Amino acid sequence: GQNIDQPTEMTATEGAIVQINCTYQTSGFNGLFWYQQHAGEAPTFLSYNVLDGLEEKGRFSSFLSRSKGYSYLLLKELQMKDSASYLCAVREGGANNLFFGTGTRLTVIP
Amino acid sequence: DAGVTQSPTHLIKTRGQQVTLRCSPKSGHDTVSWYQQALGQGPQFIFQYYEEEERQRGNFPDRFSGHQFPNYSSELNVNALLLGDSALYLCASSFKGNNYGYTFGSGTRLTVV
Repeated sequence: GQNIDQPTEMTATEGAIVQINCTYQTSGFNGLFWYQQHAGEAPTFLSYNVLDGLEEKGRFSSFLSRSKGYSYLLLKELQMKDSASYLCAVREGGANNLFFGTGTRLTVIP
Repeated sequence: DAGVTQSPTHLIKTRGQQVTLRCSPKSGHDTVSWYQQALGQGPQFIFQYYEEEERQRGNFPDRFSGHQFPNYSSELNVNALLLGDSALYLCASSFKGNNYGYTFGSGTRLTVV
């Protein structure tokens, strides 16, 4: 089975940097995704990691360590609009579905 | 270019009833996956349809069934509704089963009373 853990809630200040961690246990790991979901809206794709290391996309970066079963999403220069839930999801083997964590609700305060 | 369209946006049903939710995939996509997202939880995979067949299924009972039409749109049917079926139902479309290129719809909020 799959076990994906991420903090339930985080609060950070506008302009700051925040790191959202995700740990996972799964058989046949084949990629990790991060999605952003504003309340009442569709999840939107942020990043994808399948190899170890850091992937950077503007203000957002994602890191993966397969040996540690660990990933993080780094958000820089936080803006109020970044207040949302951030979902970590793992793909197994040749599966065509994703296994999601419960999500981290991030609140950005002035 | 239209994204993923789901209907209805909200729905209230009585326990024991049946419900049908609909999804039109993003233009150019041919695969539809359905997820259930309970309040405060992450989405859970229900099943995926490609070439009008169910290709993969998550850990959901047979009360959950689906269909894909030749135009790639899809329906999710839930029979004998339980209170625990109350959730946001998300449809994600992609091309040839590839979940790297998932595009999610905004979902249907189902409330069972």
